[in-house]
Amino acid sequence: GDSVTQMEGPVTLSEEAFLTINCTYTATGYPSLFWYVQYPGEGLQLLLKATKADDKGSNKGFEATYRKETTSFHLEKGSVQVSDSAVYFCALSEKKGGGADGLTFGKGTHLIIQP
Amino acid sequence: DVKVTQSSRYLVKRTGEKVFLECVQDMDHENMFWYRQDPGLGLRLIYFSYDVKMKEKGDIPEGYSVSREKKERFSLILESASTNQTSMYLCASSLRGSLHFGNGTRLTVT
Repeated sequence: GDSVTQMEGPVTLSEEAFLTINCTYTATGYPSLFWYVQYPGEGLQLLLKATKADDKGSNKGFEATYRKETTSFHLEKGSVQVSDSAVYFCALSEKKGGGADGLTFGKGTHLIIQP
Repeated sequence: DVKVTQSSRYLVKRTGEKVFLECVQDMDHENMFWYRQDPGLGLRLIYFSYDVKMKEKGDIPEGYSVSREKKERFSLILESASTNQTSMYLCASSLRGSLHFGNGTRLTVT
């Protein structure tokens, strides 16, 4: 079945450093790709998404480009802040029974930003 | 904004108890999901529903059941709670692919 692989971390960076979190996927079709973020004590929030090859999703200074040739969707940010400390999940869309649009998630990457 | 509300943030139950976790969404979404989140395992799908009274098993349905009598409400039921069901439970609803999550219920079974 479809699957997502991402670096698990924890990833520890200093404030203002450049961030890359790698995500690769295996899928039979052409899924949409997502990054979700989970701040401490909260549920997951959609950070960005891309629906087709070469699309770039962006939000809050984060970017990710849908690369079909390398089956990747790496998350990047040019200058991280302490407030970016969270767990980041890469996910791909998958049609479930009854036509439901579900997601398959990676295991999450815990990001820690030190002042 | 979509709002997905889970009725409890923290629950402590005893082994063998019947446990109900409630989830309500306010956006008339067809699809609703229950996941559990465990360290090192990420999110795993327990059950989902694509319409009222329609439900399907996810990847780890054993020990759980669900109920969807109204479109806005999706309940997860632990028939006889066990310690290995101690976890964070996340409910989500979706329309056109993007999932919207509640804040989660942290369940401890002692």
